[in-house]
Amino acid sequence: NAGVTQTPKFRVLKTGQSMTLLCAQDMNHEYMYWYRQDPGMGLRLIHYSVGEGTTAKGEVPDGYNVSRLKKQNFLLGLESAAPSQTSVYFCASSYSVGNQETQYFGPGTRLLVL
Amino acid sequence: GQQVMQIPQYQHVQEGEDFTTYCNSSTTLSNIQWYKQRPGGHPVFLIQLVKSGEVKKQKRLTFQFGEAKKNSSLHITATQTTDVGTYFCAYSNYQLIWGAGTKLIIKP
Repeated sequence: NAGVTQTPKFRVLKTGQSMTLLCAQDMNHEYMYWYRQDPGMGLRLIHYSVGEGTTAKGEVPDGYNVSRLKKQNFLLGLESAAPSQTSVYFCASSYSVGNQETQYFGPGTRLLVL
Repeated sequence: GQQVMQIPQYQHVQEGEDFTTYCNSSTTLSNIQWYKQRPGGHPVFLIQLVKSGEVKKQKRLTFQFGEAKKNSSLHITATQTTDVGTYFCAYSNYQLIWGAGTKLIIKP
């Protein structure tokens, strides 16, 4: 049982390049999330999904797209990377929403955009 | 939107001293969760409180939820080097709404 895994762990991009971050969970969770965390800051929600085939915008969705084609995977795409997207990206998953929603996090992807 | 204010942003303590972080909301919360993030790591769930006035303990950590369910605190007794990290509060309202975190730093 690996929990939540993320690939890659680290990536350097040039401005304008694109990339996809992959998140996978083996806990059969319905809900998945993508956050970004900037140095010394808290977590900001980018996009989330309440089930296979569904996605929704979070607090800071601009410049990102997501897809949830399979229940266990949640992809985050950057179509044209910008230096402002330099951050650590965390994926998380949970059983459900509501009072019992505990989120389980992946190890993070550190992205540097030059 | 609804937010939770977490204070202080940083706290420097000598090893063995106590540490407290506070989470405050202007409105009633249905629940409060606490997470710990070690330096270079990812957030890890510690505990969830749902009842008014609830107090829960995990070894040297004491978590409280206020009577009005508008504030919460995490208190660590006799800090150790293993306690270093950032402590976040969060509450669920369809999504998890996060505080900005309190960073615990142990003075050398």
